[in-house]
Amino acid sequence: AQSVAQPEDQVNVAEGNPLTVKCTYSVSGNPYLFWYVQYPNRGLQFLLKYITGDNLVKGSYGFEAEFNKSQTSFHLKKPSALVSDSALYFCAVRDVGAGNNRKLIWGLGTSLAVNP
Amino acid sequence: NAGVTQTPKFRVLKTGQSMTLLCAQDMNHEYMYWYRQDPGMGLRLIHYSVGEGTTAKGEVPDGYNVSRLKKQNFLLGLESAAPSQTSVYFCASSYTVESTDTQYFGPGTRLTVL
Repeated sequence: AQSVAQPEDQVNVAEGNPLTVKCTYSVSGNPYLFWYVQYPNRGLQFLLKYITGDNLVKGSYGFEAEFNKSQTSFHLKKPSALVSDSALYFCAVRDVGAGNNRKLIWGLGTSLAVNP
Repeated sequence: NAGVTQTPKFRVLKTGQSMTLLCAQDMNHEYMYWYRQDPGMGLRLIHYSVGEGTTAKGEVPDGYNVSRLKKQNFLLGLESAAPSQTSVYFCASSYTVESTDTQYFGPGTRLTVL
C-alpha cells in the first residue's frame, strides 16, 4: 500500500539555525512528491514538488527538499530558519493507484516551531 | 484571480440540521476535492471530482454528499449533521496535466456541530 510518513510530530529550532522536516514514502513506481505549509487558521499552500530530474528541489520562501530514492525520503530543508516559518508542514505523494484520480496521499503533518 | 474560495468561513449547527458548503475556483481546474482536517489525523479526503458532472468517494465519504453541476463549483452537503462532523473543511482544485498535480486550497470552513 502506498503511504507517507512524517516521523516527527513537532520540530523545534532556533532562529538562524538550519531546519529539517522529515518525510518518507512508500509507493510503487516513480513518486510525485509534494510539500505544503499551513499557517495558523489558513489553508494549505504549495511549497515545492519533485516529479523528475534533479534530486534537490527548490521552492518558495527559501525552502528546498532532497529526494533520496534509496532511502525513500523527501526531507524539507532550509539553511536558516525564521520565526515566520513556524507552521504546520505536510508531505504528500501522488496516488498512483488504479484510475486517473489525481489524488494525493498525505502525511499527518509536522508542527515546526522556530524560537527567537 | 481569487483562486479557491469557500463559503461560509464559520458555521455552527445543531445535530440533525443540514447545510451546504460551497467551493468555487476561477482557475479552470478540472479536478476538485473536499477534505476534512482534524487534530492528529492530517487531511482526509471526503469526495472528489474529476470533471463537471462527476463525483467520486474518498476515504471518509459517509454522511456527506457532493455535486459538481458547474466546472467552477463543488458543493459539499451534510444532510443530517452529527457532532463527529465537527471539523475544518478544505476544498482544493488541481490541473489535469500529467506532470502537475499541485493542489490549490481554499481558506477553509470551520464547522461545529452541537
